[in-house]
Amino acid sequence: AQSVAQPEDQVNVAEGNPLTVKCTYSVSGNPYLFWYVQYPNRGLQFLLKYITGDNLVKGSYGFEAEFNKSQTSFHLKKPSALVSDSALYFCAVRVALFMNSGGYQKVTFGTGTKLQVIP
Amino acid sequence: DAGVIQSPRHEVTEMGQEVTLRCKPISGHDYLFWYRQTMMRGLELLIYFNNNVPIDDSGMPEDRFSAKMPNASFSTLKIQPSEPRDSAVYFCASSSRTADSNQPQHFGDGTRLSIL
Repeated sequence: AQSVAQPEDQVNVAEGNPLTVKCTYSVSGNPYLFWYVQYPNRGLQFLLKYITGDNLVKGSYGFEAEFNKSQTSFHLKKPSALVSDSALYFCAVRVALFMNSGGYQKVTFGTGTKLQVIP
Repeated sequence: DAGVIQSPRHEVTEMGQEVTLRCKPISGHDYLFWYRQTMMRGLELLIYFNNNVPIDDSGMPEDRFSAKMPNASFSTLKIQPSEPRDSAVYFCASSSRTADSNQPQHFGDGTRLSIL
């Protein structure tokens, strides 16, 4: 079984300060990890993913995430927060399971963390 | 790229009525997912399709829920009869197929369903 934990329901940060949104995961095998952002009345929007290679992944809107295998974490970061970054952020994990018909995609999403950037 | 298109964006109906939600995935995507989002339960995967074939419907809450994908460009999620506890935002998502499943999902903007 696979699971994702986002330990903080909400994160508050002042505009211009660095931000971190935490995510830990549990999978059997190698993980593929994703971050999505959801703005009000919109669907989830892909930010970045870790597949393999460099542990620091860069994505959209200046966000990056650091994969830490020993701590099974994939925290989302940004050096300087903007008020427009205020949104709901979801971490997700997937392991490729191959069935006779080919790739089988089942992703597990975290419960989401609300990021509030204060002007 | 028009993205995933869902209709209607909002639906308000009375308990007992049939509700049909529609989704047009991104052209060329082989996987289609239906999710439900509520404050209490968060984001729940209801069902997903691969090449128009339902693969896993274990998340469908009851027999009142059904989903179809008659072709690669259209899917429906139907609730009959609807109940107030079905009120939620329903999302459709699609993704392309790769052998190692590393492609992200692309979400529509959802249908906000209110059952009175």
